[in-house]
Amino acid sequence: AQKITQTQPGMFVQEKEAVTLDCTYDTSDPSYGLFWYKQPSSGEMIFLIYQGSYDQQNATEGRYSLNFQKARKSANLVISASQLGDSAMYFCAMREGGTGNQFYFGTGTSLTVIP
Amino acid sequence: ETGVTQSPTHLIKTRGQQVTLRCSSQSGHNTVSWYQQALGQGPQFIFQYYREEENGRGNFPPRFSGLQFPNYSSELNVNALELDDSALYLCASSLSWGTASYNEQFFGPGTRLTVL
Repeated sequence: AQKITQTQPGMFVQEKEAVTLDCTYDTSDPSYGLFWYKQPSSGEMIFLIYQGSYDQQNATEGRYSLNFQKARKSANLVISASQLGDSAMYFCAMREGGTGNQFYFGTGTSLTVIP
Repeated sequence: ETGVTQSPTHLIKTRGQQVTLRCSSQSGHNTVSWYQQALGQGPQFIFQYYREEENGRGNFPPRFSGLQFPNYSSELNVNALELDDSALYLCASSLSWGTASYNEQFFGPGTRLTVL
């Protein structure tokens, strides 16, 4: 079974609108961390936001927020007020607390912001 | 504070050759992880080094090996290159205590390896 599933290969959003990128995960470890990364065409992975499995509140970082639904095992990324510079690949990742430090990445979602 | 750096940026090798990729971790970080990202895919974990010891390994054959130095920089070595080894190789550094990582990893710009 896939540890991280991203079902949206590509998404389009109008500039200044909000967009949600989906991510579901699979783990039996009670301690885990969920991450979102942005990868522009240059290739570098840029950390956006982190959610711990024991965190009571959804994480927020500026225009990024993480809609964490633990029972559904989903960790969707919400980008508000999209900007042209948001066009990139977005990866959801998970680190399981009890099995070392391996990060599992999804296959990514390509986001295109339309002017 | 310097970020994660990798060298070289691009590399072209032929099948059967050996390659060494280098990574300098972010200042203050003691853990380095290596990932392989094939075109159109998400990164796949190769292995991680913590305090010069391998601290976790993904599903990669032994011809993928690594080192971490006392200054926490790291090398990824790949022997007997195959065409499928063509990918972007990403290095990420983080700060760890014991066997558990703390929050996020910071990635370098990657080395793009092409095997002909």
